[in-house]
Amino acid sequence: NAGVMQNPRHLVRRRGQEARLRCSPMKGHSHVYWYRQLPEEGLKFMVYLQKENIIDESGMPKERFSAEFPKEGPSILRIQQVVRGDSAAYFCASSPYEPDRAGYTFGSGTRLTVV
Amino acid sequence: AQKITQTQPGMFVQEKEAVTLDCTYDTSDQSYGLFWYKQPSSGEMIFLIYQGSYDEQNATEGRYSLNFQKARKSANLVISASQLGDSAMYFCAMREGGYNKLIFGAGTRLAVHP
Repeated sequence: NAGVMQNPRHLVRRRGQEARLRCSPMKGHSHVYWYRQLPEEGLKFMVYLQKENIIDESGMPKERFSAEFPKEGPSILRIQQVVRGDSAAYFCASSPYEPDRAGYTFGSGTRLTVV
Repeated sequence: AQKITQTQPGMFVQEKEAVTLDCTYDTSDQSYGLFWYKQPSSGEMIFLIYQGSYDEQNATEGRYSLNFQKARKSANLVISASQLGDSAMYFCAMREGGYNKLIFGAGTRLAVHP
């Protein structure tokens, strides 16, 4: 019973490069959520996806950020032309179709550092 | 307006004592859910406890209980018999009816002293 798998755990990118963060949801979960946590802050919602559909992207920055959850394979959060301000922990969570009382299972996060 | 407010940036408690972490929320929905998560220094998010807006009883999970006061829109986490391993960040979060995303507070850093 693997939980939510995120990789890589740590990612270092130079300014201007692309960052790709991967998330494999828990088995049986069809919904994926991405959150960003800046240092010493709470998690901020970015995007909510189902297979092949973006349901809510109200928290996504308008430029450089995109997310997908293809029919096969993990969900990908892509950040193009990274800047220092993108340095943060990015968490993925998954849930069943109807989130139950346990709600959401979180991955261990990807710590992105932009140098 | 903040949807989730945690007014205590940091809290200290002596080992074996109880501690209450405050959380107030703002929603006009009748159906919503409230969550507490623990984030130790290793960084992962650990689910602790859940309270539904229609639940008549306060939620309890082992040493964790949720003091739910609906009229005051508060959902405070009570940790009984604190342990050194309870030292961590604690986040309150809300899911509003009809939406699946969670809205988090800024968190409270708890330090348990021996």
